[in-house]
Amino acid sequence: DIQMTQSPSSLSASPGDRVTITCRASQSISSYLNWYQQKPGKAPKLLIFAASNLQSGVPSRFTGSGSGTEFTLTINSLQPEDFATYYCQQSYDTPPTFGQGTKVGIK
Amino acid sequence: QVQLVQSGAEVKKPGASVKVSCKASGYTFTSNYMHWVRQAPGQGFEWMGVIHPSGGGSRYAQKFQGRVSMTRDMSMSTVYMEMSSLRSEDTATYYCARHHFPNNDDFNVFDVWGQGTMVTVSA
Repeated sequence: DIQMTQSPSSLSASPGDRVTITCRASQSISSYLNWYQQKPGKAPKLLIFAASNLQSGVPSRFTGSGSGTEFTLTINSLQPEDFATYYCQQSYDTPPTFGQGTKVGIK
Repeated sequence: QVQLVQSGAEVKKPGASVKVSCKASGYTFTSNYMHWVRQAPGQGFEWMGVIHPSGGGSRYAQKFQGRVSMTRDMSMSTVYMEMSSLRSEDTATYYCARHHFPNNDDFNVFDVWGQGTMVTVSA
């Protein structure tokens, strides 16, 4: 199975900050990388698919980039509702696998 | 709007079975594959398998082969996930999640999720 590793595992930021989360794959996955947001007690929400494609209805302050084995999720001008845990997931191969998550907390 | 509504929380004893349902609405049920993903308390996500609501075919993660069965009822627009021989390590929230691309089982992207069903396995 393809291993997905996120960094950092947690971070603290203030509203208005720019936040960057990194996801690395154990082998090349081309651009088959997706990002999800999960809030406590809730189901995940798809933010970005295929590395850089914004899901319908997701604010444009979320951007994704990367290819091969290294990817980033950037949140520009962090909003109060963005404090959550973010997960990457590869869709290059079956089984799909997830990173361990990055918790974005309030500084 | 597109919605997946799952059945309620379950408490089971080790060795028992559980069956979780996921009712779809707001789109053509047979167009999108449906996945099951679980999340143990405080942990990450683990993909369990996928079912094609139209043909009924399914594929399971190797870890769950022989212990999981995914079925569907087209008349009810509902998919089911049944797991047998439960053990304490199966305590988790179980989610159904819709495959993003209609009529395609490539590139596993999950665009709509159910609210989750907590399954607790305890003696």
